Amino acid sequence: KAGVTQTPRYLIKTRGQQVTLSCSPISGHRSVSWYQQTPGQGLQFLFEYFSETQRNKGNFPGRFSGRQFSNSRSEMNVSTLELGDSALYLCASRGLAGSAKNIQYFGAGTRLSVL
Amino acid sequence: DQQVKQNSPSLSVQEGRISILNCDYTNSMFDYFLWYKKYPAEGPTFLISISSIKDKNEDGRFTVFLNKSAKHLSLHIVPSQPGDSAVYFCAASGDFGNEKLTFGTGTRLTIIP
Repeated sequence: KAGVTQTPRYLIKTRGQQVTLSCSPISGHRSVSWYQQTPGQGLQFLFEYFSETQRNKGNFPGRFSGRQFSNSRSEMNVSTLELGDSALYLCASRGLAGSAKNIQYFGAGTRLSVL
Repeated sequence: DQQVKQNSPSLSVQEGRISILNCDYTNSMFDYFLWYKKYPAEGPTFLISISSIKDKNEDGRFTVFLNKSAKHLSLHIVPSQPGDSAVYFCAASGDFGNEKLTFGTGTRLTIIP
């Protein structure tokens, strides 16, 4: 079974631009979550999507948004990029049944650099 | 407000010995606790988890212990191998719609051959 796939792996943008990151979950997983990792703040939860609906949201500004499609694939968008948005963005998926439903499996991440 | 804390930023252990990584939490509503291993520029890899109704879970060389009264958990790796060198994150989640992971700051484990 293929793991969580994130594209692209690396991105360089300039301040003020917007960016869209993509995530394909593990086959059969319907929940997709996004996390941001920075040296200063560590790993922080952005949001979770299930059945195309956002079911949980972290403490990030409205410039950070996401969506989920009917095939469970997800995208996150960051508008009006700031230097502080430079980070590793991680996507995670999980199944929703059984004893493993709380285990999130992560992709390799997208490294975003904002210049 | 750091709800999950890993107070040791780094740990060095001789190959073959036991590695013990510690984690403390403050939120008594957490229902599940997980350990992840991470290499630079890669996503975290799931290692082992434990439900709040248990006090121990074992999987091969990895054992997680949970002390609910002390709000403390630990990961034991026996025997430690060079491939175990990585950053280890402790994470906690709730249940029933609140499964987001709250991570600790990580402990860098170095196994000395």
